[in-house]
Amino acid sequence: AQRVTQPEKLLSVFKGAPVELKCNYSYSGSPELFWYVQYSRQRLQLLLRHISRESIKGFTADLNKGETSFHLKKPFAQEEDSAMYYCALLIQGAQKLVFGQGTRLTINP
Amino acid sequence: GAGVSQTPSNKVTEKGKYVELRCDPISGHTALYWYRQSLGQGPEFLIYFQGTGAADDSGLPNDRFFAVRPEGSVSTLKIQRTERGDSAVYLCASSSTGVGRQYFGAGTRLSVL
Repeated sequence: AQRVTQPEKLLSVFKGAPVELKCNYSYSGSPELFWYVQYSRQRLQLLLRHISRESIKGFTADLNKGETSFHLKKPFAQEEDSAMYYCALLIQGAQKLVFGQGTRLTINP
Repeated sequence: GAGVSQTPSNKVTEKGKYVELRCDPISGHTALYWYRQSLGQGPEFLIYFQGTGAADDSGLPNDRFFAVRPEGSVSTLKIQRTERGDSAVYLCASSSTGVGRQYFGAGTRLSVL
């Protein structure tokens, strides 16, 4: 079965501290993974996708097929990073996204 | 328009009533998706259109739910005999090819009393 697990519903760190949001997946096919973010009173938007291997707003995420993980990392958190973060898996062929439950990240001043 | 547009933004209805939710995708996007997001959960897939046809409707929970996209642009999600458990935010997304990045609308918050 296809599944995305985000074990932390809430995560709180201080400004300037490193942050890591965990994501694990279960999928028999070749995984294509995304991180979506939802800032307060805004719509869900793409933060980054693993095939792009890019850094957006200082965030990076590396796909680890051995550990079936796609954790999101940022070395120095900023207050504007406070938001809801969702990890998502694209199901090939079906072209649908399977989302995790989300992690609410709060950056304390 | 600049992005995916969903109307209404909020809908309150009574148990047993019929509702229609509208999605206007980004111009030129051939793929359109509906998701449902319950409180404290991530979005859950309902249905995917490629053009006018439903390519995958495996996420529709039961036959009270139906969606159409008659001209390959605007889509309507229809819910018959609404139940309190249907209360959720209904999200629409579109993409240019049906692979990769999906652009989301702001959602319709449905409350069934």
